[in-house]
Amino acid sequence: LAKTTQPISMDSYEGQEVNITCSHNNIATNDYITWYQQFPSQGPRFIIQGYKTKVTNEVASLFIPADRKSSTLSLPRVSLSDTAVYYCLVGDISGAGSYQLTFGKGTKLSVIP
Amino acid sequence: EPEVTQTPSHQVTQMGQEVILRCVPISNHLYFYWYRQILGQKVEFLVSFYNNEISEKSEIFDDQFSVERPDGSNFTLKIRSTKLEDSAMYFCASRAGTRGYEQYFGPGTRLTVT
Repeated sequence: LAKTTQPISMDSYEGQEVNITCSHNNIATNDYITWYQQFPSQGPRFIIQGYKTKVTNEVASLFIPADRKSSTLSLPRVSLSDTAVYYCLVGDISGAGSYQLTFGKGTKLSVIP
Repeated sequence: EPEVTQTPSHQVTQMGQEVILRCVPISNHLYFYWYRQILGQKVEFLVSFYNNEISEKSEIFDDQFSVERPDGSNFTLKIRSTKLEDSAMYFCASRAGTRGYEQYFGPGTRLTVT
């Protein structure tokens, strides 16, 4: 997995859109970008994965610029229940590896009422 | 929606005792994993398992650890002789054959070694 850098923490008020940016300057051609969410005392939860441009699902959007050296996870209108740690991971999904996940410290998002 | 389940949710054991943590992965998944998270620290990979054998393991996964898929549904992690530093949350995860980094985690077993 390529090295990633993301903010250690962020605060947001309820109802706001939150954007968490992840830097991955050494991303390789076959690498995909994957985001996980973890609530306290729970297992990580897969949120979204993308390769380029924009991906959207029912939970979040992922924006990836043309150079792919960074990506932004966007959470629309956050609520208190979105308070969690968010992890950005970058890795090659084209091969036959075990795809072990290597988690960093992530970004701790605190949503304030 | 299918989910990974783990039992027990909390296990307390004395140092030197053997523990078995159990997981039931999502039924059509082929790849299985164990991770652990010591309180306040990062989630760490322990081992991956495919086709009834270990495909990769970390330095943490030493001779005291073993995994098994005893039947078509369960996936277990055994720690032969627990140490105080084995106290952690242990998460099982599984994935389908495609989309390698899309893994589904169980709720975890909190292991406390006294």
